[in-house]
Amino acid sequence: AQSVTQLGSHVSVSEGALVLLRCNYSSSVPPYLFWYVQYPNQGLQLLLKYTTGATLVKGINGFEAEFKKSETSFHLTKPSAHMSDAAEYFCAVSDPLRGGGGFKTIFGAGTRLFVKA
Amino acid sequence: DAGVIQSPRHEVTEMGQEVTLRCKPISGHDYLFWYRQTMMRGLELLIYFNNNVPIDDSGMPEDRFSAKMPNASFSTLKIQPSEPRDSAVYFCASREAGAYEQYFGPGTRLTVT
Repeated sequence: AQSVTQLGSHVSVSEGALVLLRCNYSSSVPPYLFWYVQYPNQGLQLLLKYTTGATLVKGINGFEAEFKKSETSFHLTKPSAHMSDAAEYFCAVSDPLRGGGGFKTIFGAGTRLFVKA
Repeated sequence: DAGVIQSPRHEVTEMGQEVTLRCKPISGHDYLFWYRQTMMRGLELLIYFNNNVPIDDSGMPEDRFSAKMPNASFSTLKIQPSEPRDSAVYFCASREAGAYEQYFGPGTRLTVT
């Protein structure tokens, strides 16, 4: 079964510092991988996704992630943190639907990012 | 498009009462998902629909929970009777067939006292 493990439920960085949020996945088929962000009192929104092709994917707000098949990882990075990046971040993997066609999304437990001034 | 719409945004009810949460997906989206989010259990998939048909309800915690999608633009999640442990934020999300991104609604914060 497909699953996602996010390392660290809380990460704290200083403004301007590198952001690194770790994600490892397990999948029996080539996966689609996602990072979603949730700001307080809001629903989740997509930051970036990997489907096929280039393993380094860029998303909104300066975030990027690299798909490393050999390490089954999809870590999220941003070179310089901003106060507005404080939020909860969810890594997710696709889980194919039975009967073919389409997938459902399995979410990790989330990592809350704190940004210190 | 206005995005996924959920109502109410907040619901406070007493134990034993029936609760109905509502969702309007984005027009043209074929998949609809109901999630529950709590501090202890994170984000759990309760049920999802494809073209208004329930496909997998294995995440529904108990028979007290039921969900319907009578047409492509409306879905409900009902809890009857409600219990304090049902307190959570319930999200509805929709996705277009062939697309990758799910669009989430703002959620309904349910408090059962």
